[in-house]
Amino acid sequence: AQRVTQPEKLLSVFKGAPVELKCNYSYSGSPELFWYVQYSRQRLQLLLRHISRESIKGFTADLNKGETSFHLKKPFAQEEDSAMYYCARVDSSYKLIFGSGTRLLVRP
Amino acid sequence: SAVISQKPSRDICQRGTSLTIQCQVDSQVTMMFWYRQQPGQSLTLIATANQGSEATYESGFVIDKFPISRPNLTFSTLTVSNMSPEDSSIYLCSARTDTQYFGPGTRLTVL
Repeated sequence: AQRVTQPEKLLSVFKGAPVELKCNYSYSGSPELFWYVQYSRQRLQLLLRHISRESIKGFTADLNKGETSFHLKKPFAQEEDSAMYYCARVDSSYKLIFGSGTRLLVRP
Repeated sequence: SAVISQKPSRDICQRGTSLTIQCQVDSQVTMMFWYRQQPGQSLTLIATANQGSEATYESGFVIDKFPISRPNLTFSTLTVSNMSPEDSSIYLCSARTDTQYFGPGTRLTVL
């Protein structure tokens, strides 16, 4: 089965600390991977896609095919980063398969 | 990009009734999808709404329970039929252009 795994339900860090949200996928080919974020009372929005290799709000994510991972990282967390983060990949029919999500809590 | 609106934003319904959720996209899109997000859970795809043909349902979802319409390239509806409390959830519409965008969701509570 094509799966996206986010092992952590909750990740709590202090402001200014580094953050790494883990994501692993099961797929043998070249996946199209995304990170979506949902801030409190806001709609789900795209944060990053791996093919663009960009940094958004200080977040980066690198595709590691050897480890089948697409971890989301930020060197210095801010309180406004507190949100629900979902890793997802697109299947051959352009359907998004979501991980279970990780709640990031950045404490002051 | 695509801006997606949904109506209603929330509703409280009695069991046994049906609710139709509308999804409007600000541009023509080929692909539209409906997702469900149960309390404390991730998003699960219900179906792909195909313009001009029947929707394609995922395992565990059937047309009789979740009929979908897609009359044109900017609009779709999802009906939750014969509702039970287990249908209480957030229902999200999504459209794909360069990437996939989401509506604000419809929060449904079934009593």
